[in-house]
Amino acid sequence: EAGVAQSPRYKIIEKRQSVAFWCNPISGHATLYWYQQILGQGPKLLIQFQNNGVVDDSQLPKDRFSAERLKGVDSTLKIQPAKLEDSAVYLCASSLDGHAYNSPLHFGNGTRLTVT
Amino acid sequence: AQKVTQAQTEISVVEKEDVTLDCVYETRDTTYYLFWYKQPPSGELVFLIRRNSFDEQNEISGRYSWNFQKSTSSFNFTITASQVVDSAVYFCALENAGNMLTFGGGTRLMVKP
Repeated sequence: EAGVAQSPRYKIIEKRQSVAFWCNPISGHATLYWYQQILGQGPKLLIQFQNNGVVDDSQLPKDRFSAERLKGVDSTLKIQPAKLEDSAVYLCASSLDGHAYNSPLHFGNGTRLTVT
Repeated sequence: AQKVTQAQTEISVVEKEDVTLDCVYETRDTTYYLFWYKQPPSGELVFLIRRNSFDEQNEISGRYSWNFQKSTSSFNFTITASQVVDSAVYFCALENAGNMLTFGGGTRLMVKP
C-alpha cells in the first residue's frame, strides 16, 4: 500500500511569512494526525482528525496555526505568521481508527521547516 | 497527565555489541498502551512494537527484545548483536485510554562498524 505522502519536503521562510503543508494519508485511514518535532525532541501532537472532524487540538497554537481536512481525506496545516520557534519537522500520520493500539500510526517523511 | 522519559539522549556502540534503550513512563490510567518507534535518517517514524498494560510478557523478535515491568513503570528495548543499520533515533510512546499518544524525547543510537 502507498504510504503517507507529505509535501513539500523542505521549506525555508522568513519570520512573519506564512506557510502551508500538505498531507495525503493512507487510503481508508479515518484518523489523521499532525505532529511537530523540534530538533532533539520527540513528536508533539498538534491536531488529530477523525474523518473531517477535529478530535483533539488542545496543543495547537490557534493564534497562528490552522488545519483542515476537507472531505475527510487530504489535510493542510498552515502557519501564519511564522515565528523562529516554529522551526521544526512537521509530521503527518494516519491510522485506521484513531486507537494507536488497534491500528498503529503510519508516518510520512515530514516537512522540515526553517524560519529565519 | 502522562509522561514518557528516555534518559539516554545518545548511545554509541560498536557493531555486534548488545545495547538496551531505557524507557520510563508515568500515567494515572490503569489501561494504557506502550510503543516503540524507530526514526532512521530519512525521517519517517517506523512502528516496532506495541504492548498493553495487562500484558507483561516479554517479547523477542529476531535481534530485538522488549522488557515490560509495571512495578518500575519501564518498557526497555534491547538490540542484540547490533548492526550499523540499527543506527537511528528510537522513541518510546504511551497511549492512554483517551487515545492520546505521548512520545518520549528519543534516544539516538549510533552503531559504529
